[in-house]
Amino acid sequence: EIVMTQSPATLSVFPGERATLSCRASQNINSNLAWYRQYPGQTPRLLIYDASTRATGVPARFSASASGTEFTLTITSLQSEDFAVYYCHQYNNWPLTFGGGTKVEIK
Amino acid sequence: EVQLLESGGGLLQPGGSLRLSCATSGFIFSGFAMTWVRQAPGKGLEWVSAISDLDSVTYYADSVKGRFTISRDRSTNTLHLQMNSLRAEDTAVYYCAKRSGAWNGYLDSWGQGTLVTVAS
Repeated sequence: EIVMTQSPATLSVFPGERATLSCRASQNINSNLAWYRQYPGQTPRLLIYDASTRATGVPARFSASASGTEFTLTITSLQSEDFAVYYCHQYNNWPLTFGGGTKVEIK
Repeated sequence: EVQLLESGGGLLQPGGSLRLSCATSGFIFSGFAMTWVRQAPGKGLEWVSAISDLDSVTYYADSVKGRFTISRDRSTNTLHLQMNSLRAEDTAVYYCAKRSGAWNGYLDSWGQGTLVTVAS
């Protein structure tokens, strides 16, 4: 099983600042990585797929990159609606796996 | 617009059975793989099961293998999850999600979820 490790678990950021979230895969997953955002009590929403492609309707302040088994999601100029939990997800191998999540909270 | 609507959740005792359904619309159901993902209270996301498009090849997490069965009904565009021998640790919100491809891919659309509570 591919283990996805997200860091940090919690990220405190001022509105308007940049947030950088990390996700590490325990083995090669090529670029088969997605990022999702989830508000409390709500459904996850796809933000990024294939490691760096923004999903339809996702603002340009969200960007993502990959280097080997290290993946990064960057949110520039955080807006109020960006404070949520973010999950990375690998779809390269069975079983599909998710990271433990990073909670982005208001500082 | 893709729509996924889960139903069938509820409260039941350990050892019981439940069948979840996910009614779909807005896309060609037979052309995409589908999955179930669950989320225990206060926890992260856990993949449960997946089914491919036409040939309905199925996959299961080890934690549910032998107890859960995923299926799809192309006549009604509905995804199902039959859950047997339920345990307390199966308590979670269960989401159905559409995959981006016929065989694999990321999860591009999610339902609103249905809560399953297993408790005595």
